[in-house]
Amino acid sequence: DAGVIQSPRHEVTEMGQEVTLRCKPISGHDYLFWYRQTMMRGLELLIYFNNNVPIDDSGMPEDRFSAKMPNASFSTLKIQPSEPRDSAVYFCASSLGLHIRHEQYFGPGTRLTVT
Amino acid sequence: GNSVTQMEGPVTLSEEAFLTINCTYTATGYPSLFWYVQYPGEGLQLLLKATKADDKGSNKGFEATYRKETTSFHLEKGSVQVSDSAVYFCALSDGGGGADGLTFGKGTHLIIQP
Repeated sequence: DAGVIQSPRHEVTEMGQEVTLRCKPISGHDYLFWYRQTMMRGLELLIYFNNNVPIDDSGMPEDRFSAKMPNASFSTLKIQPSEPRDSAVYFCASSLGLHIRHEQYFGPGTRLTVT
Repeated sequence: GNSVTQMEGPVTLSEEAFLTINCTYTATGYPSLFWYVQYPGEGLQLLLKATKADDKGSNKGFEATYRKETTSFHLEKGSVQVSDSAVYFCALSDGGGGADGLTFGKGTHLIIQP
């Protein structure tokens, strides 16, 4: 398996633009997580899905952020409009299921820069 | 709520030195504990884990023992190599009624000099 795949790896955009980050989880994994990593706050969980259904989005910073999982092999995290303080590395992770769900496999991340 | 505290570093050591990275946690219930490693430009990789008190996780020469009495999960390695240079994250998951994601420490940047 190729592991968790994220695209793009790097994104530079101007303030006010819409940004869409993409993730393909490992096939067969029931859980998908989105994290944000910054120097100031470290790694924060934004939202997670179970079987394509959002379970907890309490970590989403504000209404400008939205996430979807239209099927088991694809998820998006969208920021509209983007702001400079959204600059961070965004990680997607997936895990197998309830029994060992806490073993998460991370993608390489998307480095977002908003100017 | 849950929290993880670890030394932030950077920690700079010479090759073959002994490594300890401290990690303490606060959690309700009985969490599982993890160490993740992040190499430059890559995502996090699970290094080792322990799911109950007194368990010892080990991998690639690294070890950590789940100490419930001191709420700690310190990472150790007897002889580090340049290739161990990375950022190390301690994390916990309580699997309880809250989010099923992991709570991470802020990470410890380890630099090994030849």
